[in-house]
Amino acid sequence: DAGVTQSPTHLIKTRGQHVTLRCSPISGHKSVSWYQQVLGQGPQFIFQYYEKEERGRGNFPDRFSARQFPNYSSELNVNALLLGDSALYLCASSLALHTTGGNTIYFGEGSWLTVV
Amino acid sequence: AQSVTQPDIHITVSEGASLELRCNYSYGATPYLFWYVQSPGQGLQLLLKYFSGDTLVQGIKGFEAEFKRSQSSFNLRKPSVHWSDAAEYFCAVGPMDSSYKLIFGSGTRLLVRP
Repeated sequence: DAGVTQSPTHLIKTRGQHVTLRCSPISGHKSVSWYQQVLGQGPQFIFQYYEKEERGRGNFPDRFSARQFPNYSSELNVNALLLGDSALYLCASSLALHTTGGNTIYFGEGSWLTVV
Repeated sequence: AQSVTQPDIHITVSEGASLELRCNYSYGATPYLFWYVQSPGQGLQLLLKYFSGDTLVQGIKGFEAEFKRSQSSFNLRKPSVHWSDAAEYFCAVGPMDSSYKLIFGSGTRLLVRP
């Protein structure tokens, strides 16, 4: 089975523009989470979606939004891009909502966003 | 506040030597604990996880970690390092009862000398 797939792998945007990043979870996984990883730091939680509903949100401004589709794929949208939004955006999927029962989260290889 | 500390930014070891990467966490209760590895330009791969039970956890690629509640630590170890282990290692904690929000440390970069 395919792992978590993300697109695009790399992109360059100008300040003020909008970007959409896409993620397809592992087949059968209903939970998708998004993380931002700035160079030299660990990933930071942005959102979690489960069964098409937002179930968790990190400390990010309203410029960041996401949604999950009926096939459980997800989009992350960032409006009014700032230079500080330059980062690796990681998508992760898991079977269930919670970390209980040994439920494991699997990460994709990420989308590298550069804002100039 | 919940946090994860990885005090070593870089560690250099010789191939074949043993390795220990440190991780300390601050959390209201016993969290779920994870170690991930990230090779350059890659996503995160799960090495091992601790949920409950035996405090010594075995993972992939010959790694193990020990949960010490009294020290709020979850250090990663490997008895003999291979050149292919050179990568960035992240410790993370996750809540037991809410959304799957992992809190990551800032990472430790492992360099392996031939």
